[in-house]
Amino acid sequence: GENVEQHPSTLSVQEGDSAVIKCTYSDSASNYFPWYKQELGKGPQLIIDIRSNVGEKKDQRIAVTLNKTAKHFSLHITETQPEDSAVYFCAASKGDAGKSTFGDGTTLTVKP
Amino acid sequence: SAVISQKPSRDICQRGTSLTIQCQVDSQVTMMFWYRQQPGQSLTLIATANQGSEATYESGFVIDKFPISRPNLTFSTLTVSNMSPEDSSIYLCSVARGDYGYTFGSGTRLTVV
Repeated sequence: GENVEQHPSTLSVQEGDSAVIKCTYSDSASNYFPWYKQELGKGPQLIIDIRSNVGEKKDQRIAVTLNKTAKHFSLHITETQPEDSAVYFCAASKGDAGKSTFGDGTTLTVKP
Repeated sequence: SAVISQKPSRDICQRGTSLTIQCQVDSQVTMMFWYRQQPGQSLTLIATANQGSEATYESGFVIDKFPISRPNLTFSTLTVSNMSPEDSSIYLCSVARGDYGYTFGSGTRLTVV
């Protein structure tokens, strides 16, 4: 089955700096790659996603890149703010969004 | 996107007892999913619940331990049976957002003592 590895497990940045979280996947048939943000005491929330026919997608301060050949994708957050502090999960699935494999999560701390 | 209400938000239970978690969606959905998130860890799919059919369980999860009901297209329950401390986790229900990932409920934080 699919295996998703996520790095780093923890990340601490100063407010205003950029943060990058990287994931690799094993199944070349995976074609949908969402990112979720989980704040304390809440369920994960979809923040951005990318499909295999696209190399990059941007939404304001958040961007995701995908390298299908290398089977890795990354989340980029620019101009970080304290409210970006949360646990971020990457995931991979094959067409059916109903069965995603999740990475182990990255705890991002943005220091004011 | 769909709005999910999940109850209870947290509970502390005695070992050997059972807890039923409810998940209500504000729109009709074909599939609902139950996840477990152990402390400080990632999300693991327990089962997929389709209305009108038996739930489909992932490897390592069995119906006797995690019975699921799906009586209609907006509601599902997950029961954690004969609990032990190892069942202490956050349990999350979710629905697919068409082709665009999941919407999750806020989770049920279960502590078994």
